[in-house]
Amino acid sequence: QKEVEQDPGPLSVPEGAIVSLNCTYSNSAFQYFMWYRQYSRKGPELLMYTYSSGNKEDGRFTAQVDKSSKYISLFIRDSQPSDSATYLCAMTIGGYSTLTFGKGTMLLVSP
Amino acid sequence: EAGVTQSPTHLIKTRGQQATLRCSPISGHTSVYWYQQALGLGLQFLLWYDEGEERNRGNFPPRFSGRQFPNYSSELNVNALELEDSALYLCASSLEGENTEAFFGQGTRLTVV
Repeated sequence: QKEVEQDPGPLSVPEGAIVSLNCTYSNSAFQYFMWYRQYSRKGPELLMYTYSSGNKEDGRFTAQVDKSSKYISLFIRDSQPSDSATYLCAMTIGGYSTLTFGKGTMLLVSP
Repeated sequence: EAGVTQSPTHLIKTRGQQATLRCSPISGHTSVYWYQQALGLGLQFLLWYDEGEERNRGNFPPRFSGRQFPNYSSELNVNALELEDSALYLCASSLEGENTEAFFGQGTRLTVV
């Protein structure tokens, strides 16, 4: 079993839809959870950062962590074509040098 | 403010050759991280440099090496290239230490033929 599992997609939705992206993990020691967005031919950019369990909201984005189920989610409300990208979950026990990434989910939002 | 810059953008090498990839961190950042993003494998941590020293290393063979210069820029060297080394190599930088947000560059696409 891989440490972090993420469905590669692609996930295709119409503009305005609510998008749900998910990752599961096996290492219960992970404490910090992140979501990155990566546009084609670009480096990843940090979208959301959460520590331990709970929800965090930032504009149209909500990150959710359920440590008991080892499951994290990213919700995107009112999705836009500009949200079309690959979304990577990442997590670490502590520190960016030990980040473990999922393989990424490709999201396509059609106008 | 300039972001993390990497050069070259693309690099084509023959199996067995050596590749050198370069990274300039954001001004003021002292930590540099290298990641490999191979098709189907996702991002994998390679190396972490801070204040000129190698602080951590991922699960890669010794032919992957690097260094950090006094101006905090960094170089990744890959010796004895293999076809499986074909990937996007991403550099990220952060303020001192590994517990501050890291910002990624756009990567160097290495193709080994």
